[in-house]
Amino acid sequence: QQQVRQSSQSLTVWEGETAILNCSYENSAFDYFPWYQQFPGEGPALLIAIRSVSDKKEDGRFTIFFNKREKNLSLHIKDSQPGDSATYFCAAINNYAQGLTFGLGTRVSVFP
Amino acid sequence: GALVYQYPRRTICKSGTSMRMECQAVGFQATSVAWYRQSPQKTFELIALSTVNSAIKYEQNFTQEKFPISHPNLSFSSMTVLNAYLEDRGLYLCGADWGGETLYFGSGTRLTVL
Repeated sequence: QQQVRQSSQSLTVWEGETAILNCSYENSAFDYFPWYQQFPGEGPALLIAIRSVSDKKEDGRFTIFFNKREKNLSLHIKDSQPGDSATYFCAAINNYAQGLTFGLGTRVSVFP
Repeated sequence: GALVYQYPRRTICKSGTSMRMECQAVGFQATSVAWYRQSPQKTFELIALSTVNSAIKYEQNFTQEKFPISHPNLSFSSMTVLNAYLEDRGLYLCGADWGGETLYFGSGTRLTVL
């Protein structure tokens, strides 16, 4: 059973639009949720993260909206650029001794 | 900023042989190092977690006998894939942190097995 689920395998948006990536999780004990961005041939790079005590985290064009009651969160990429084309992974952790649990990723394509 | 270097970036080995990969944290002390394998389908599998002053904890389906890990100090870790076969191919990622929950990953070592 996938503990962290990303609802879309792929997403296509036009340059300037807002890309919305959705993620849900099973384990209520998860309390920290990083999003990673991965380009082909590279390792995943930490993009933005949120703790479960918050419902929103913003960093430039990237915003996480978090709903603890519904056990879901979303990553919004405002004013999408072609350079944002990458695979985005939602991850979760509750106890560092257990390591991060990753979703299967959403591949975002931004067309000019 | 925190940087994690992994080397080699890619390696090819014959079936049944072994290869070693290394991970170096630059600019911070890695109190924990996690080794993951990313399959060609992009899924992440946690191989083992190494925390300073604790034993290395291997996940189910991964053993020390197959993936021995060394974590001799707070800036360096290495892992060997012994007797590599086709099912061991993938991108091996080292993630390091300095006491928080956030893992910073290197670029990975891509293993191809012939």
